[in-house]
Amino acid sequence: AQTVTQSQPEMSVQEAETVTLSCTYDTSESDYYLFWYKQPPSRQMILVIRQEAYKQQNATENRFSVNFQKAAKSFSLKISDSQLGDAAMYFCAYRSAPPLNDMRFGAGTRLTVKP
Amino acid sequence: SAVISQKPSRDICQRGTSLTIQCQVDSQVTMMFWYRQQPGQSLTLIATANQGSEATYESGFVIDKFPISRPNLTFSTLTVSNMSPEDSSIYLCSARRPAGGYTFGSGTRLTVV
Repeated sequence: AQTVTQSQPEMSVQEAETVTLSCTYDTSESDYYLFWYKQPPSRQMILVIRQEAYKQQNATENRFSVNFQKAAKSFSLKISDSQLGDAAMYFCAYRSAPPLNDMRFGAGTRLTVKP
Repeated sequence: SAVISQKPSRDICQRGTSLTIQCQVDSQVTMMFWYRQQPGQSLTLIATANQGSEATYESGFVIDKFPISRPNLTFSTLTVSNMSPEDSSIYLCSARRPAGGYTFGSGTRLTVV
């Protein structure tokens, strides 16, 4: 079974600075999808960014970008110009290609943004 | 994108009773999923709910304890049966949209006393 590992239980960043959250995964599949989700105290899971494994180009969404290293099975999230609203739990997630569709989550990283 | 309405948002229940959690999606979705999230921890998949067929349960979760219904493409329920304090957790539903992508309900915080 696929596993997702987030080795940083907590991270802290100064407002306006850059922070990188780490994620590694274990799989024998060649086609899959990777995600970063943000979960604020409201519990709502919010999609931050997604990456298709077949794409070599790293995904970018405004201040959020990933460093996808397929051979190393690494999928880190970089948050630039951190804002107070970025404070939340961040979960890395893995999803197999269809027909398998369930998503596996890492343990999460709690990000604190200091003003 | 699809929006999921999950109810109740929270509940406090007596041990030995059952609670049914509902998720209503505002558009048809192919698959729905139910997760459990212990406080401050990650999401653990309980089961996958397909319309018109029995749910597929993950290791450690059984139908007698967590019966699931999926009567149509926009609705699903999860029942937590014969509850004990160990069932206290947050339960979330998720839906996979036909075009891909996932959306989540806002979760149900369950406390069993």
